[in-house]
Amino acid sequence: SQTIHQWPATLVQPVGSPLSLECTVEGTSNPNLYWYRQAAGRGLQLLFYSVGIGQISSEVPQNLSASRPQDRQFILSSKKLLLSDSGFYLCAWSVETQYFGPGTRLLVL
Amino acid sequence: AQTVTQSQPEMSVQEAETVTLSCTYDTSESDYYLFWYKQPPSRQMILVIRQEAYKQQNATENRFSVNFQKAAKSFSLKISDSQLGDAAMYFCAYRTRRDDKIIFGKGTRLHILP
Repeated sequence: SQTIHQWPATLVQPVGSPLSLECTVEGTSNPNLYWYRQAAGRGLQLLFYSVGIGQISSEVPQNLSASRPQDRQFILSSKKLLLSDSGFYLCAWSVETQYFGPGTRLLVL
Repeated sequence: AQTVTQSQPEMSVQEAETVTLSCTYDTSESDYYLFWYKQPPSRQMILVIRQEAYKQQNATENRFSVNFQKAAKSFSLKISDSQLGDAAMYFCAYRTRRDDKIIFGKGTRLHILP
């Protein structure tokens, strides 16, 4: 069966520091991969998605970037975090249906 | 443009009762999928139920069922015998068969009253 992992589960970072969130999927090949952000009590905002290694589509211009160095690995990065980057970050994979990871809570202080 | 609308920001239901969450969508496509996701306090998104547009029969998963009205572009979720563990945010979502992205509604927060 397929599983999706995200780490870290929780992260507290100062403004201006770098960020790296990792997502890996097991049990499937060549999945579509997605990064979402969710502010408290709000809906999901699609940040990036990828249909293959090295293929990244950006939905919202911002100081975040994404990379897919391997088929089942998706990384969300920032060189310098902003206060507004705080939120809950969800990774998802899909073939037809999207399945989500457990999420990362990011607090930028 | 394709949109998903959940008109009820919050709802409450008595434990063991039945509740229906509404969802409408706008599309010009004929081949698509519809989903309901549940997000409990842990904030993990959990797939509740999925419906393929070409199937006329409404999907069911135990206590969860949908009323899919394709002509009306309506996709409501019925939860029977509500349990305390059903308390969560529920998101309706849509995607076409040919697209890689899912469009989510803004969610309905469901409270279960003991």
